[in-house]
Amino acid sequence: DQQVKQNSPSLSVQEGRISILNCDYTNSMFDYFLWYKKYPAEGPTFLISISSIKDKNEDGRFTVFLNKSAKHLSLHIVPSQPGDSAVYFCAANGNTPLVFGKGTRLSVIA
Amino acid sequence: DGGITQSPKYLFRKEGQNVTLSCEQNLNHDAMYWYRQDPGQGLRLIYYSQIVNDFQKGDIAEGYSVSREKKESFPLTVTSAQKNPTAFYLCASSRQGRATNEKLFFGSGTQLSVL
Repeated sequence: DQQVKQNSPSLSVQEGRISILNCDYTNSMFDYFLWYKKYPAEGPTFLISISSIKDKNEDGRFTVFLNKSAKHLSLHIVPSQPGDSAVYFCAANGNTPLVFGKGTRLSVIA
Repeated sequence: DGGITQSPKYLFRKEGQNVTLSCEQNLNHDAMYWYRQDPGQGLRLIYYSQIVNDFQKGDIAEGYSVSREKKESFPLTVTSAQKNPTAFYLCASSRQGRATNEKLFFGSGTQLSVL
């Protein structure tokens, strides 16, 4: 049973536009959420996180929004750049090892 | 440079053979983890260790074994009992294993293939 779901396997966006990646979770004990970016044949790198006591966290071009009542979070990338093309994993933590979604492959088209 | 080193980058296993993937970290982190990535499957937890000489099974531990004799090292053995070992294996570490706001740092991965 998947506790963290990324329902869109892939997303294509034009350079300069906004990319919105979505993530849903089922476990109400999760209280910390992270986004990781991964290039092929490399390890994931941490991008941004949010605690359950917040509903928004911003870092440069990246913003994560959390809707606890809907058990939903999203990552916004504005403006999108070709170097953002990668697989993005949503992850959740609730005093257990991180649980990851299946990832969304973002392609930013120049 | 502080970080996590996984070796080898590529590894081939013959049928019936055990192979060991190395993971070393110099971040002075207490906790270490092994994840497996299959295409379209995301990252699935194999084993984790929150402290030296202690480790716990993750979601897909069958066919794998680990040891944690030193803080810096967390090797993963893929045994012959693992029937579908071809995957990309990722080692990670975190400062502590029990805090809820823990961020994981990953190594660069090992691609294991069956001959």
